Amino acid sequence: AQKITQTQPGMFVQEKEAVTLDCTYDTSDPSYGLFWYKQPSSGEMIFLIYQGSYDQQNATEGRYSLNFQKARKSANLVISASQLGDSAMYFCAMSVGGTSYGKLTFGQGTILTVHP
Amino acid sequence: GAVVSQHPSRVICKSGTSVKIECRSLDFQATTMFWYRQFPKKSLMLMATSNEGSKATYEQGVEKDKFLINHASLTLSTLTVTSAHPEDSSFYICSASFGLAGSDTQYFGPGTRLTVL
Repeated sequence: AQKITQTQPGMFVQEKEAVTLDCTYDTSDPSYGLFWYKQPSSGEMIFLIYQGSYDQQNATEGRYSLNFQKARKSANLVISASQLGDSAMYFCAMSVGGTSYGKLTFGQGTILTVHP
Repeated sequence: GAVVSQHPSRVICKSGTSVKIECRSLDFQATTMFWYRQFPKKSLMLMATSNEGSKATYEQGVEKDKFLINHASLTLSTLTVTSAHPEDSSFYICSASFGLAGSDTQYFGPGTRLTVL
């Protein structure tokens, strides 16, 4: 079974500072994908970034980067130069191959608050 | 990114009635759609996987007869909450995927907030 753990229920950051949101995962499947989604108060789930288990380099998408440490089974999200609009709930999720292909397992979420 | 819509965005119904929620992929053909349920300030819990033209696969603990899923075309999946009760009140979100191999990205709809009185 797959498991995603986000140990930070809430995080605070000053505007323009960088922030790291933690995510650890557990799976016995060698092929998997790791995702980060942002959920503002409106409820929509916004895709941020993806990292495949066989990807050699850490994924980056604009101000978002994923610090992928395979041996430690961690996939932390780094947001650089935080903006007020980054305040939201952030979910780490994982998808594995085989019969569970495409199914996402989500972490508990981290509420990020950006202070001006 | 790809666009997925849901309708209605918000619904209030009386206990005992049935409610249908539609999930549409607007600019791509979705081979697979997923239905999630989310309680306030909680994580998303997968309810079922819906494949076009075949029966949905439900997660353990999800009542098939209560949450009817139909995936009639590559762009439309529907979730019907039958004989709704107050405990069914929740935020329901669908997602669509069009990948053929590997762990591909899912695109989420905006969600439907169901309140059962």
